[in-house]
Amino acid sequence: DTGVSQDPRHKITKRGQNVTFRCDPISEHNRLYWYRQTLGQGPEFLTYFQNEAQLEKSRLLSDRFSAERPKGSFSTLEIQRTEQGDSAMYLCASSLGPTGPKTSTDTQYFGPGTRLTVL
Amino acid sequence: GQSLEQPSEVTAVEGAIVQINCTYQTSGFYGLSWYQQHDGGAPTFLSYNALDGLEETGRFSSFLSRSDSYGYLLLQELQMKDSASYFCAARKYNFNKFYFGSGTKLNVKP
Repeated sequence: DTGVSQDPRHKITKRGQNVTFRCDPISEHNRLYWYRQTLGQGPEFLTYFQNEAQLEKSRLLSDRFSAERPKGSFSTLEIQRTEQGDSAMYLCASSLGPTGPKTSTDTQYFGPGTRLTVL
Repeated sequence: GQSLEQPSEVTAVEGAIVQINCTYQTSGFYGLSWYQQHDGGAPTFLSYNALDGLEETGRFSSFLSRSDSYGYLLLQELQMKDSASYFCAARKYNFNKFYFGSGTKLNVKP
């Protein structure tokens, strides 16, 4: 358990429905990331928050996807009008950010993910 | 564009040493991370190289050569629990954006 939690762990929905996922990062972490992972592939970057500001969003992300991080704490990822191609594992990660010149690792701690199945 | 190449699968025996290579093409490259992921689990951080050379963390070591756009993860004294997928991830300079490879599935046999 990394300290990052995601809810729900599994979601089955019908095509065309909207879904929302929640991520609770490690409390002192100011950076939060969303990734999507399909079977046999590495995580694919979706978006990134520094505190409450969404600083980066993948060009692969269609307008049906939106993410928020109100008050710089938990984050939500919403997918509108889901399609079968959205079926994947959605991973959230948080990081503290570099704290000095030698600690530029910015280690990301991943949550357990939300597995979405669109029928 | 961004791309990272890793072997898809590697098999080794318990107690052996295995090296997983990663070549990358990433504009604005800043550093290379390695993550481990067991089936059904979340990726967990193993190692990070921002500078050329070897970083050692217990049984795991990671190497980076910026001039060759190449890195590797070295796992020593392999244990059955090391059977997992291993991902290299390139960090882009000035952005907190990480590009992951497709992963290498490591099978450790007794």
